[in-house]
Amino acid sequence: LAKTTQPISMDSYEGQEVNITCSHNNIATNDYITWYQQFPSQGPRFIIQGYKTKVTNEVASLFIPADRKSSTLSLPRVSLSDTAVYYCLVNRNNDMRFGAGTRLTVKP
Amino acid sequence: DAGVTQSPTHLIKTRGQQVTLRCSPKSGHDTVSWYQQALGQGPQFIFQYYEEEERQRGNFPDRFSGHQFPNYSSELNVNALLLGDSALYLCASSLYRDTSYEQYFGPGTRLTVT
Repeated sequence: LAKTTQPISMDSYEGQEVNITCSHNNIATNDYITWYQQFPSQGPRFIIQGYKTKVTNEVASLFIPADRKSSTLSLPRVSLSDTAVYYCLVNRNNDMRFGAGTRLTVKP
Repeated sequence: DAGVTQSPTHLIKTRGQQVTLRCSPKSGHDTVSWYQQALGQGPQFIFQYYEEEERQRGNFPDRFSGHQFPNYSSELNVNALLLGDSALYLCASSLYRDTSYEQYFGPGTRLTVT
């Protein structure tokens, strides 16, 4: 599976849009890109998944360029409760590996 | 619809002992994966079970073993515990034939080895 690289930490303020970019240069044709959110002492929670172009759900958008070597998770109008660690993963079939994640801190 | 459940919530063991952790998958799921998460790090894949067989394994020693039962629930066993085994152990369930492979995680078991 392709290794992912994302910023270690990010700060934002309530009401702002947050964009977290992840690089996955060696992504393969059959791989999906998935993002998870994790709060302290809880299991990760699925946010969004995509293969190409743009995917949007009720909590986030995922932008994937044509070469699929990177992806950007967009969180609109974050609140204090969005403070968490966000993981970008590349998964294929039933294989999925986590990296270190991005620690997002939302300030009032 | 119950999600993924894990037991116990917390556990304290002594170095050298053995421990068994349990997981019940989300209703309708047939695959269980186990992860170890040390403090401040991302979850590390231990192994995955489907149809009562270990299908994939991460870089963990043989001290870590598992089992899946006919009802899809699973156990993680760790023998000869080391201090470094202290971590949050996460169970995740999924549907093996689901090409998107979305995993649902349980709340985890916090293991402390003293």
